[in-house]
Order: sequence, then C-alpha cells, then structure tokens
Amino acid sequence: KAGVTQTPRYLIKTRGQQVTLSCSPISGHRSVSWYQQTPGQGLQFLFEYFSETQRNKGNFPGRFSGRQFSNSRSEMNVSTLELGDSALYLCASSKDRVNEKLFFGSGTQLSVL
Amino acid sequence: EDQVTQSPEALRLQEGESSSLNCSYTVSGLRGLFWYRQDPGKGPEFLFTLYSAGEEKEKERLKATLTKKESFLHITAPKPEDSATYLCAVRAGSARQLTFGSGTQLTVLP
Repeated sequence: KAGVTQTPRYLIKTRGQQVTLSCSPISGHRSVSWYQQTPGQGLQFLFEYFSETQRNKGNFPGRFSGRQFSNSRSEMNVSTLELGDSALYLCASSKDRVNEKLFFGSGTQLSVL
Repeated sequence: EDQVTQSPEALRLQEGESSSLNCSYTVSGLRGLFWYRQDPGKGPEFLFTLYSAGEEKEKERLKATLTKKESFLHITAPKPEDSATYLCAVRAGSARQLTFGSGTQLTVLP
C-alpha cells in the first residue's frame, strides 16, 4: 500500500513569488492535514481538510491556503513568499476524522531566497 | 493554550544502554498523546497513542507510559538503528490538530 506522497520534494523560490505544494493521501484516507516544520518552531498545524472542506485552521496568515479535491488529494498554496516561509511542509492523512492515527509524507522542503 | 515540553533536547547512548525520554504536557482535556519517530529527511512515523493515565504500550525495544502530567518513552537495550528524533504530540479538547513538542534527538553509538 503506497504511503502519503508529496511533490515536489524540494523547491527554491524567491521572495514575493507564490508556490503550490501537492499531497496524495493513502488510498482510502479522506482526511488530510498540513504542518509546517522549522528548526525554531518545530511542527505547527496549518489546516485540515475532509470531504473537500476545510475543517480546521491553524494560526497562520491568509497567505497560506489550501484545498482538497474529490479524490482526497490536496494542495496548499503560499502567496507572496517571505524568507520566514522557508520550512519543511508536511502532509498527513488519516482514514477519517475519528481515526486518530496520522500518516505523514516525507514533506516538501521549501527554500525562499 | 496547550503546551508540550520534551526533554532532554538531545541524548547520546551507547548501544545497549537503556534510558527514558520525557514529554510533559499542559492541556485542557487530553484526548490522546502520540509518539512519533522522525528520521532525517523523512516525515514523522507513528509509534504509539495513549489515551488515559496508567496506560502503557510496547513495540520492540520501545515502551510508552502515560501519567496525568507526562509521558515517558523507555528505550531498552537500544541499537544504532534506533537513532532518530522522537516527537511527542497531544490532541486536546475539541481540537482536531496535534500540538507537537520540539523533540528529543537520540543518537545510539555502536
């Protein structure tokens, strides 16, 4: 059974640009969450999607957005990139909103220059 | 605000030298405490979920325990392949998201 797949694996952008990251959850999983990981702040919750609807959102500015498609695949977008947005962006999936176990992908390493 | 504190930040052990990692938490209404392992360049890998004080779970050389204020991850006779960062996270109240600690970086020397 394939795990959570995130693309691209690495990304380099410059300040002011925008970026879109993609996540394919484990087959049959309908809940997708996104987390940002940095050396200083650790893992911080961005948002959660279930049945194409955002169910929960972390304390991040509106430049961070996401969506989920009918096949449960998800994308997150960051507009007007800032240097501080450099981080590992992790996607996690779970079977549903009741199942507590999250399965993480390997992440997208974003560098903003 | 939910808080999770892990100690020590880093731990170096000789192969076979048992030890424990600590995760202390301050939350309103714990609904689950999670342990994850993260290897360099990879996402966190699920290890355990604990729900109530007194609960224990084991997997190979790892054993997780939970009290009302903290959780311990005991590592018995560790091997070099146990080297990784161990993350603790909580889910509390009505929140669906996990709140993570900053992790303990474990190095097991052969």
